[in-house]
Amino acid sequence: DGGITQSPKYLFRKEGQNVTLSCEQNLNHDAMYWYRQDPGQGLRLIYYSQIVNDFQKGDIAEGYSVSREKKESFPLTVTSAQKNPTAFYLCASTGGRSSYNEQFFGPGTRLTVL
Amino acid sequence: QKEVEQNSGPLSVPEGAIASLNCTYSDRGSQSFFWYRQYSGKSPELIMFIYSNGDKEDGRFTAQLNKASQYVSLLIRDSQPSDSATYLCAVNIVSGTYKYIFGTGTRLKVLA
Repeated sequence: DGGITQSPKYLFRKEGQNVTLSCEQNLNHDAMYWYRQDPGQGLRLIYYSQIVNDFQKGDIAEGYSVSREKKESFPLTVTSAQKNPTAFYLCASTGGRSSYNEQFFGPGTRLTVL
Repeated sequence: QKEVEQNSGPLSVPEGAIASLNCTYSDRGSQSFFWYRQYSGKSPELIMFIYSNGDKEDGRFTAQLNKASQYVSLLIRDSQPSDSATYLCAVNIVSGTYKYIFGTGTRLKVLA
């Protein structure tokens, strides 16, 4: 059963803590993405990766970090430098070589700062 | 700044009517266009994509693209209460990278 999984579903962070959000896909997709969604807002790109061991900053990368050591995995770390991290975080992937580059999303992680 | 614009709504339509959702984009280099449905608290679900001028139909959904006017729309025929959701328009800007720009979404309410 192919798809994108994200964990945990809910995450609570104390001030000053770093937390890592997991994203795994078994779709054999090359490109993976992290977005942030705030209430009533669209999706804003944090980081994306087109191939293993390579990634680029999106529009709001400050306070976040990523790694892409395996094709299947693209974890996102929310660092203490991110001043307002409470949001809904969405991981997505696309095959890149498919006809029209449809992008598919995982179920999301809702992060709350206590 | 590349942008994708949508009316935030809510757009209210009676059950059985046609819902028309609109989206404009600023980058003429945009290549593929996507419509996602997002229920409250859930992740976006791909409904349709379109890349050529004209109409593309899939069941009750029709996507329309006019590249000259930089305009893409989604029509939902025979709207059902279960169609009530936020609809996100997204544009694929390739230019050597696979980047996507999303609109802020239009909230649709189908009234029973």
